[in-house]
Amino acid sequence: DIQMTQSPSSLSASVGDRVTITCRASQSISSSLNWYQQKPGKAPSLLIYAASILQGGVPSRFSGSGSGTDFTLTISSLQPEDYATYFCQQTYSAPPTFGGGTKVGIK
Amino acid sequence: EVQLVESGGGLVQPGRSLRLSCTASGFTFSDYFVSWFRQAPGKGLEWVGFIRNKRSGGTTEYVASVKGRFSISRDDSKSIAYLQMSNLKSEDTAVYYCSRDPGPSSGYQFYFDYWGQGTLVTVSS
Repeated sequence: DIQMTQSPSSLSASVGDRVTITCRASQSISSSLNWYQQKPGKAPSLLIYAASILQGGVPSRFSGSGSGTDFTLTISSLQPEDYATYFCQQTYSAPPTFGGGTKVGIK
Repeated sequence: EVQLVESGGGLVQPGRSLRLSCTASGFTFSDYFVSWFRQAPGKGLEWVGFIRNKRSGGTTEYVASVKGRFSISRDDSKSIAYLQMSNLKSEDTAVYYCSRDPGPSSGYQFYFDYWGQGTLVTVSS
């Protein structure tokens, strides 16, 4: 199985900050990567697929980049509703596997 | 509006069985694959398995940790997918989610765009 490693596991940021989360795959996965946002007690919500394509309805302050083994999720200007946990997920091969998550908290 | 609603969770003793349901509405259920996931308390997400749509054979795939114990099925006439869990263990305690996946017709695989709200399964004596 492909292992996904996210960093950091948590971070604190202020409203308006630029936030960057990284995800590394244990082998090359091309651009086969999704990003999800999860708020406490809620289901995950798809933000970005194929590494850089914004899911419909997702604000443009979210962006994704990378290919191969290294990927990045960027929030250009953190908003109050963005405090949540973010997961990456590889879609390259079965089973689809997730990173451990990055919790974005209030500074 | 696309909706997926899980049900059937609860407290169950180790070694017993439980069946979860995922009831869909707002889209053509039969066109989609359905995946099940779980999230242990305070932990990350784990894909449990999926069932393909009939067009792709209606077959199933599972993560190694549940193979032989869990089984996924679907009833397209009712827009429901099921997760049958047997010989449950304490490590199966988690919130279980279902999600839809358009399958290869979308050009992407493992593309989970809508999820249910989850149902909690607690395995304990």
